[in-house]
Amino acid sequence: GAGVSQSPSNKVTEKGKDVELRCDPISGHTALYWYRQRLGQGLEFLIYFQGNSAPDKSGLPSDRFSAERTGESVSTLTIQRTQQEDSAVYLCASSLVGLAGEKQYFGPGTRLTVT
Amino acid sequence: QQPVQSPQAVILREGEDAVINCSSSKALYSVHWYRQKHGEAPIFLMILLKGGEQKGHDKISASFNEKKQQSSLYLTASQLSYSGTYFCGTDSGGSNYKLTFGKGTLLTVNP
Repeated sequence: GAGVSQSPSNKVTEKGKDVELRCDPISGHTALYWYRQRLGQGLEFLIYFQGNSAPDKSGLPSDRFSAERTGESVSTLTIQRTQQEDSAVYLCASSLVGLAGEKQYFGPGTRLTVT
Repeated sequence: QQPVQSPQAVILREGEDAVINCSSSKALYSVHWYRQKHGEAPIFLMILLKGGEQKGHDKISASFNEKKQQSSLYLTASQLSYSGTYFCGTDSGGSNYKLTFGKGTLLTVNP
């Protein structure tokens, strides 16, 4: 079946511009996660959605970052007024119900470059 | 807190073995292992739950020592396809579903 998909695969933007990154989770997965991966670093948790519950935004690095999810489908991560330190690969993952110890399936990521 | 992985990098010849360690200062519920090739998504390898279990498939296996709060990934008779960066992700269970990942271990297998 189809895996997690993300778009665009690459995004180059000028400092100060806003960007939107999209994630399509695996159909039927109620949990969705966003991570950031800086060059040579591990994955850094950003935000978590589970069903109709309020999202866990505890990993968002600043108020320039926000995310939305429509029901149990598509999610959009928005970065406003991008800064050079926002350059990274943004990875989306989904899992069936979002319990601890549950396998997460990752998308290919969006490579964001802020010039 | 981020788990600590060791070593940071390892170079092997095809057929050699390697061990990658992941240690946490927090009590762990589960440890997840992923492999990521350059420019690609992380690929799931296995999950280990607390209880000191050991898992494996083919020539890749892992152990989880709950008391020591650490996990080890064992790669035996390495193949060229094993090259990549290995990440461990940990969670503390309960409502704490968020994975905290280590910085990764770069494994290079040469012919």
